[in-house]
Amino acid sequence: GAGVSQTPSNKVTEKGKYVELRCDPISGHTALYWYRQSLGQGPEFLIYFQGTGAADDSGLPNDRFFAVRPEGSVSTLKIQRTERGDSAVYLCASSFGTDNSPLHFGNGTRLTVT
Amino acid sequence: AQSVAQPEDQVNVAEGNPLTVKCTYSVSGNPYLFWYVQYPNRGLQFLLKYITGDNLVKGSYGFEAEFNKSQTSFHLKKPSALVSDSALYFCAVRDAKDNFNKFYFGSGTKLNVKP
Repeated sequence: GAGVSQTPSNKVTEKGKYVELRCDPISGHTALYWYRQSLGQGPEFLIYFQGTGAADDSGLPNDRFFAVRPEGSVSTLKIQRTERGDSAVYLCASSFGTDNSPLHFGNGTRLTVT
Repeated sequence: AQSVAQPEDQVNVAEGNPLTVKCTYSVSGNPYLFWYVQYPNRGLQFLLKYITGDNLVKGSYGFEAEFNKSQTSFHLKKPSALVSDSALYFCAVRDAKDNFNKFYFGSGTKLNVKP
């Protein structure tokens, strides 16, 4: 079946602009996660949804970052007033949300802020 | 606080030789442990997990990992490496006491398998 889909695969934007990154999880997966991966680093947790609600948004770096999942499926990560330090690969993952469920990752969106 | 350490940035092995990629963890409760592999410009792919039971778990592509509670380790192993195993490997832990299902990842180990 289809895996986790992320669009766009690449996004180049100017400093100060607004961007939206989209994630389409595996059908039936109730849990959805956003992670950020910088070069040479492991994925860093941003936010976790169980259904439509954000169960844990403690990883969002500041109030310029926001994510939604209005119907419990597709999620959008929104970044306002982008800064060069926001440049990274943004990974989305989904799972069944049970104790032993592994994460299934998309291929990520590479965001470059110039 | 929960954390994962992968002490080696890079591991080099010859094709056909056994390989080990090291991982140690720290959690307050019982650990759920995972290994992922990442190929260039791709997302992370799940390899195997330890939740409970037998300390030796087997996963995809001939990989296995051994959970050692006393050493808080979960090293990834393969008896005979292939050139195609060359990739970036990440260890991850979830604390069973963590209601929000948060996964913590190590910084990754680059595996180079030489022909």
